[in-house]
Amino acid sequence: DQQVKQNSPSLSVQEGRISILNCDYTNSMFDYFLWYKKYPAEGPTFLISISSIKDKNEDGRFTVFLNKSAKHLSLHIVPSQPGDSAVYFCHAGGTSYGKLTFGQGTILTVHP
Amino acid sequence: DTGVSQNPRHKITKRGQNVTFRCDPISEHNRLYWYRQTLGQGPEFLTYFQNEAQLEKSRLLSDRFSAERPKGSFSTLEIQRTEQGDSAMYLCASSFVWGDRGGEQYFGPGTRLTVT
Repeated sequence: DQQVKQNSPSLSVQEGRISILNCDYTNSMFDYFLWYKKYPAEGPTFLISISSIKDKNEDGRFTVFLNKSAKHLSLHIVPSQPGDSAVYFCHAGGTSYGKLTFGQGTILTVHP
Repeated sequence: DTGVSQNPRHKITKRGQNVTFRCDPISEHNRLYWYRQTLGQGPEFLTYFQNEAQLEKSRLLSDRFSAERPKGSFSTLEIQRTEQGDSAMYLCASSFVWGDRGGEQYFGPGTRLTVT
């Protein structure tokens, strides 16, 4: 029962262009969403979050969009940099912040 | 360094042996989580603690797995009678949750377990 899905296993983008990573969820009880970045041999690192009372949250080059009716969220990185190359995970749950569910991850490669 | 630490970083064990991993969270954090990650997958939730209380356990946490957080600080995850299918990266994370604030989890580097 995969409640959080990242359907693109990988994404390749040119430096300076926009990277768009997508995440779909099925559990309508989810109301808090996070994105993490993971480099090899390290644990995931928190990037940005959004609660269901918002449809957009922005932090520097990173913007997360939430479409509750479609149960879809996306992470936009503008402009993309080679250092952004990593695995990106979507993470979702309720605002009790108990069990949160990860997506499978998307490998982002940003080419110079 | 005030981040989340995990020990050991790597563990190789023979099938049937018991192993124990330790996680030291960020000191002011009240929540501690354990996840398991296999190749090509996202981290899978195992269990979490609020202070010393274990509030939820995944069905993935079979009776061979036990986690403790005796004083609400560090936590241990023990796997008894290890099986080859237990080979994975075990990740620990901590967070501070207060009212409706919190949620972002801070992860340790993980313990990679190989069962031969």
